[in-house]
Amino acid sequence: DGGITQSPKYLFRKEGQNVTLSCEQNLNHDAMYWYRQDPGQGLRLIYYSQIVNDFQKGDIAEGYSVSREKKESFPLTVTSAQKNPTAFYLCASSISVLGNYEQYFGPGTRLTVT
Amino acid sequence: QQQVKQSPQSLIVQKGGISIINCAYENTAFDYFPWYQQFPGKGPALLIAIRPDVSEKKEGRFTISFNKSAKQFSLHIMDSQPGDSATYFCAAGADSWGKLQFGAGTQVVVTP
Repeated sequence: DGGITQSPKYLFRKEGQNVTLSCEQNLNHDAMYWYRQDPGQGLRLIYYSQIVNDFQKGDIAEGYSVSREKKESFPLTVTSAQKNPTAFYLCASSISVLGNYEQYFGPGTRLTVT
Repeated sequence: QQQVKQSPQSLIVQKGGISIINCAYENTAFDYFPWYQQFPGKGPALLIAIRPDVSEKKEGRFTISFNKSAKQFSLHIMDSQPGDSATYFCAAGADSWGKLQFGAGTQVVVTP
């Protein structure tokens, strides 16, 4: 059963703590993405990666960090420097970054920071 | 600064009616325009996509109309069903860019 898994579905953290969101795909896709979704603002790109050990900042990278040590995995760390971390986080993957191939999305992680 | 502007923010349509969602863009480098459907608490799923070399694309009850000169594209949902109740996002990207810009979304409610 191929697809993208994100865990956990819900995550609660205290302000000032770093938190890491998991994203795994078994689609053999080269490109992976992290988006943040807030009500009324659509999806905004945080980071994306075209190949292992390489990634680029998206539109709202401040306060976030990523790693891409394996093709299948692209974890996102929300650091204490992120001013408004409470949001719905979506991971996606595609065959390639270039050429705008279809992006497949995971089920998302809802992060609440209090 | 939102590169893709989507309207309306929400709409209510009766079962069997037509839902129409509009998007406009400024960047003429965009050459790929997908639409995504998202149900509450789920990730978006690609519904249909179009490139500027065609003015219309139809898949089942879903049709994209594209107007290159006006830099606008729209989604029409024909014979709307209660199961179509979801949030719809338009997006735009460029082959050489590798990223998608999303509209703010339209919440569609289809009443029985």
